[in-house]
Amino acid sequence: AQTVTQSQPEMSVQEAETVTLSCTYDTSENNYYLFWYKQPPSRQMILVIRQEAYKQQNATENRFSVNFQKAAKSFSLKISDSQLGDTAMYFCAFMTQNNNNDMRFGAGTRLTVKP
Amino acid sequence: ETGVTQSPTHLIKTRGQQVTLRCSSQSGHNTVSWYQQALGQGPQFIFQYYREEENGRGNFPPRFSGLQFPNYSSELNVNALELDDSALYLCASSQKKLETQYFGPGTRLLVL
Repeated sequence: AQTVTQSQPEMSVQEAETVTLSCTYDTSENNYYLFWYKQPPSRQMILVIRQEAYKQQNATENRFSVNFQKAAKSFSLKISDSQLGDTAMYFCAFMTQNNNNDMRFGAGTRLTVKP
Repeated sequence: ETGVTQSPTHLIKTRGQQVTLRCSSQSGHNTVSWYQQALGQGPQFIFQYYREEENGRGNFPPRFSGLQFPNYSSELNVNALELDDSALYLCASSQKKLETQYFGPGTRLLVL
């Protein structure tokens, strides 16, 4: 079964500090894509960052970066210089070519940035 | 460039009724995917449409059906509504089948 696990239901961080959200996944595929999405209270799912499994270099997008460990099937998200607007649910997701075009999501981590 | 839009934003139905949800894909996108997100959970894949044909389906019964139109907009139809169908329904579009998906704001469905 192809699954995504986010082991931290809730996390909090002080404004301007750094926080890391964990994600592990299980797949027998070699080619796949990993994503982090943010869902604020407005409920619109917003793409944070994307990583192709064939790329060894970790993706970065401004204050957001990932630590992709393919052998360990781990894909954590680091948020630097946290801002109040980062408060949201964060979902880890992955998609494979041979999985019925199904993007699998984890259960999410609720992040609160405190002033 | 217009993003993904969905209508309506909220909907209340009673058990046994039928509902149609609509989605307009982002300009230049030919692939639309639908997801069901129950309260406190991650989205669950319902199905995907690519160039007007169903291109993959998750573990949902046949009473969940869909359409994609020549302009790549899409509909999700749910027949014989059940209480457990109450959820946020998300639509996402992408340029190709395995490209990044961009989501709409969702339709909140409540079945009484």
